[in-house]
Amino acid sequence: SQTIHQWPATLVQPVGSPLSLECTVEGTSNPNLYWYRQAAGRGLQLLFYSVGIGQISSEVPQNLSASRPQDRQFILSSKKLLLSDSGFYLCAWSVGVSNQPQHFGDGTRLSIL
Amino acid sequence: AQKITQTQPGMFVQEKEAVTLDCTYDTSDQSYGLFWYKQPSSGEMIFLIYQGSYDEQNATEGRYSLNFQKARKSANLVISASQLGDSAMYFCAMTTGANSKLTFGKGITLSVRP
Repeated sequence: SQTIHQWPATLVQPVGSPLSLECTVEGTSNPNLYWYRQAAGRGLQLLFYSVGIGQISSEVPQNLSASRPQDRQFILSSKKLLLSDSGFYLCAWSVGVSNQPQHFGDGTRLSIL
Repeated sequence: AQKITQTQPGMFVQEKEAVTLDCTYDTSDQSYGLFWYKQPSSGEMIFLIYQGSYDEQNATEGRYSLNFQKARKSANLVISASQLGDSAMYFCAMTTGANSKLTFGKGITLSVRP
């Protein structure tokens, strides 16, 4: 069966520090991968998605970036965090067909001080 | 562009009763998919149920059913026999055409009372 791992679960970072969140998927090949951000009590905002290694599409201009160095690895990064980057970050995967659900990791709660 | 609207305030239901969570959508695509997800306080997003735009029957998954009214562009989630563990935030979402990207609504908080 397929599983998705996302870490760390919680992160507290100072303003201006770098960021690296990692997500890996097991049990499937060539998944579509997604990064979302959720503000407190709000819906999910799609940040990036990838349909293959090295292929990244950005949905929202910001100081975050994403990379997919391996088929089942998706990384969210920032060189300098802003206060507005605080939130709950979720990674998800799908088989890339529109009638199949996305499956989510447990999320990372990021607080910027 | 597609849009999902969830406007209900926090919902309350008595344990063992049924509850309906509202969702309306807007898209110009003829082919689309509608999803419901549950998010407990722990934060993970749990897939509940899917309805395709060409599906003639309403989708059902255990205690979950989707009341799909295409002409009204609504896809309400019905939870039967509510349990305390159903207390969570519920999100309606959609894909359009062949695109697997999801557009989410803002969510509805459901509280089940014992």
